[in-house]
Amino acid sequence: GDSVTQMEGPVTLSEEAFLTINCTYTATGYPSLFWYVQYPGEGLQLLLKATKADDKGSNKGFEATYRKETTSFHLEKGSVQVSDSAVYFCALSPSGAGSYQLTFGKGTKLSVIP
Amino acid sequence: GAGVSQSPSNKVTEKGKDVELRCDPISGHTALYWYRQRLGQGLEFLIYFQGNSAPDKSGLPSDRFSAERTGESVSTLTIQRTQQEDSAVYLCASSLGDSNQPQHFGDGTRLSIL
Repeated sequence: GDSVTQMEGPVTLSEEAFLTINCTYTATGYPSLFWYVQYPGEGLQLLLKATKADDKGSNKGFEATYRKETTSFHLEKGSVQVSDSAVYFCALSPSGAGSYQLTFGKGTKLSVIP
Repeated sequence: GAGVSQSPSNKVTEKGKDVELRCDPISGHTALYWYRQRLGQGLEFLIYFQGNSAPDKSGLPSDRFSAERTGESVSTLTIQRTQQEDSAVYLCASSLGDSNQPQHFGDGTRLSIL
């Protein structure tokens, strides 16, 4: 079945550091890919998404590119802020039937220190 | 309200008791989803409702779990004869439809089985 593997945390960075959170997936066909974020005390929020190969999703300074050849969707940000401290989840939804079913990775906790 | 609302936010109960969790989706959202998040794990899909269609119950872990939704309104997730392994955060999400529409999540119900 479909699966998502993301780097284990926790990740601790200093403010203004470069962030990469790796995410790879296993799925048939062409799934849609997502990054969700959960800030402390809040619910999951969609951060960005990409629906086809080579698409780049971006939001709030974060970017991720859908790489079909490496089955990856790594999350990057050039300069993190303390307010980016949260848990980040990579997810996919399959193409075709059952496309509503999101499969999530286990989450990566990011802590940004001043 | 503006977002998905879940109640209660926390529930502590004894093993063997039944529990009922409630989800109020965003008005106008035809699709509703339930997920379970165990400690340190990603979200597991439980059940999906879309309008008046038959729900996809393929993610329910056992026959102790059931869910209902009337039309496009409130949904309840019921766990009968709770077990300690049922302890988790139960998340509800809603969306405008399926197939790449972003899912909007509630804050979840944290269920603890003693």
